[in-house]
Amino acid sequence: NAGVTQTPKFRILKIGQSMTLQCAQDMNHNYMYWYRQDPGMGLKLIYYSVGAGITDKGEVPNGYNVSRSTTEDFPLRLELAAPSQTSVYFCASSSRSGLAGVKTQYFGPGTRLLVL
Amino acid sequence: GENVEQHPSTLSVQEGDSAVIKCTYSDSASNYFPWYKQELGKGPQLIIDIRSNVGEKKDQRIAVTLNKTAKHFSLHITETQPEDSAVYFCAATIQGTGTASKLTFGTGTRLQVTL
Repeated sequence: NAGVTQTPKFRILKIGQSMTLQCAQDMNHNYMYWYRQDPGMGLKLIYYSVGAGITDKGEVPNGYNVSRSTTEDFPLRLELAAPSQTSVYFCASSSRSGLAGVKTQYFGPGTRLLVL
Repeated sequence: GENVEQHPSTLSVQEGDSAVIKCTYSDSASNYFPWYKQELGKGPQLIIDIRSNVGEKKDQRIAVTLNKTAKHFSLHITETQPEDSAVYFCAATIQGTGTASKLTFGTGTRLQVTL
């Protein structure tokens, strides 16, 4: 299994541009998450999904959109990039009912985004 | 919502010494507390976790303790090695049947193990 994969690894955007960060998992996990990590800070939840067609906002959803058309993929869309969106973005996934009920989250390698 | 505080922000220990990282949480309903290790340029990786019905859990050189009354939990690494050098994050969440676990993370501890 490749686990959670993310593309691209690094991207530079100009203010106002848009882009989609790709995330895919091959573990047949129902739950998927997007976090952002700012320097010296912990990860903050942007959006999450409990299954295909179902998404919900996390702590910091403004400026982002998501969709979940398949179990495997959970892309994150930035419509009008702003410098405040410069960050490292991590995608994660977990099963609906893990071992002993613990739903461990597995993280991808991250996408580093710089908005200038 | 949940708030997780983590201390210290940086920790330097000599190889072979022990390291302790502490976290406090605010929501008494939180029942699952994972610890993640993040190496440079990589995503967080789960190293150990604990549920609220357990006071302590060990896995070789790593242990986690939980005090529900005081709402704090700690990571203990014994016999530290250079490969333990990384950033460590604590997190808290409410895990329930059929619901996603929205992790609230601490701000991280950069551990450096010196020779």
